[in-house]
Amino acid sequence: DTAVSQTPKYLVTQMGNDKSIKCEQNLGHDTMYWYKQDSKKFLKIMFSYNNKELIINETVPNRFSPKSPDKAHLNLHINSLELGDSAVYFCASSTQTGAYNSPLHFGNGTRLTVT
Amino acid sequence: AQSVAQPEDQVNVAEGNPLTVKCTYSVSGNPYLFWYVQYPNRGLQFLLKYITGDNLVKGSYGFEAEFNKSQTSFHLKKPSALVSDSALYFCAVRDKLTGGGNKLTFGTGTQLKVEL
Repeated sequence: DTAVSQTPKYLVTQMGNDKSIKCEQNLGHDTMYWYKQDSKKFLKIMFSYNNKELIINETVPNRFSPKSPDKAHLNLHINSLELGDSAVYFCASSTQTGAYNSPLHFGNGTRLTVT
Repeated sequence: AQSVAQPEDQVNVAEGNPLTVKCTYSVSGNPYLFWYVQYPNRGLQFLLKYITGDNLVKGSYGFEAEFNKSQTSFHLKKPSALVSDSALYFCAVRDKLTGGGNKLTFGTGTQLKVEL
């Protein structure tokens, strides 16, 4: 009954490869996010989707491409992986109603290691 | 632009003692303020938020936070710390004037260590 679930939990890959991370939420939320947490635990928003529409797109290399097939899913595809992409990627969701103050619900993260 | 500062990388406290984790913010308008907690190998969990109203906000697990507009602070507090409170704590802010969805800006995190 996990609310926000991400797969895989760990991802180890070589530079230059392409990989995807999947996220699903069963909370009935209509807004989903991708956050990146670096080795110093700093969290930064990457993307946000509301009802499958992109609403936040931070300064992220275009090697990163989010896709939202429906409002319960938000996947992240990364092309041509680089060493600097190594981080923990968190998916999160929230309600749009009262969007500005509704808390985020986070998944447990995907630890990506690029070698 | 909105920003959050957590001046302490780590806070150590003895079990049973009160704890405070500090947070200051900067926004253009009135802020929405949040505290989240992260346990090892887990995602962030929401603790409490300040939107408007009473300056003292109560949240999960006995935590509370005090909003101080003049000092632009939102310190997290707990009257009696538990060893199980040991975790990484994040303060976050959202500027009410910022458009484009729920774009939270997080602080750098404070590691709380509660010892017996």
